[in-house]
Amino acid sequence: AQKITQTQPGMFVQEKEAVTLDCTYDTSDPSYGLFWYKQPSSGEMIFLIYQGSYDQQNATEGRYSLNFQKARKSANLVISASQLGDSAMYFCAMIVMIYNQGGKLIFGQGTELSVKP
Amino acid sequence: DTEVTQTPKHLVMGMTNKKSLKCEQHMGHRAMYWYKQKAKKPPELMFVYSYEKLSINESVPSRFSPECPNSSLLNLHLHALQPEDSALYLCASSQDKSVPAYEQYFGPGTRLTVT
Repeated sequence: AQKITQTQPGMFVQEKEAVTLDCTYDTSDPSYGLFWYKQPSSGEMIFLIYQGSYDQQNATEGRYSLNFQKARKSANLVISASQLGDSAMYFCAMIVMIYNQGGKLIFGQGTELSVKP
Repeated sequence: DTEVTQTPKHLVMGMTNKKSLKCEQHMGHRAMYWYKQKAKKPPELMFVYSYEKLSINESVPSRFSPECPNSSLLNLHLHALQPEDSALYLCASSQDKSVPAYEQYFGPGTRLTVT
């Protein structure tokens, strides 16, 4: 069964330091997409970064990079130079394709990141 | 413009009321989604619309009734809700539901309280 696992319920990081949020996934489908979303306390889910299963290179978007290790089925998010505004809940998610229905986004349990000044 | 709007932002309703949540996007996306999210939990998919037709219903109780009047609008009609239905309701859209590469863009959500 397809599944996303985030094993860190909460994390702390010092401002300006880098932090890695862990995500492992399980799927037998050769074609899939992995996403990271940020959810501040206001509630909106903000798309951060995407990695496709066939992408040869790790995705990067500004201060965000995705450490994609396909053989280990992991897709960790790295945030460089943390800022106070990075304090939020972070969700790892995967698109799973359902026959005749299309894609369905499944989420991990989330990691709450707190950035200390 | 990568914006999905939702109204209202907050809604308090009694168990006998009928209300509707509204979602709008003008990105030309052909897939739209409703999610329910409890505090400190991940969003749970409720419904998927593709090209204005209901594509996925995740066994949601009939007191939740989705509607897609056109490609830009998605409504969620609420009737006879229970207190446990209190949650953040998120709307999202994507270019197409059938391609794993297309990210979903989320609205700010409606915080629903059922009294």
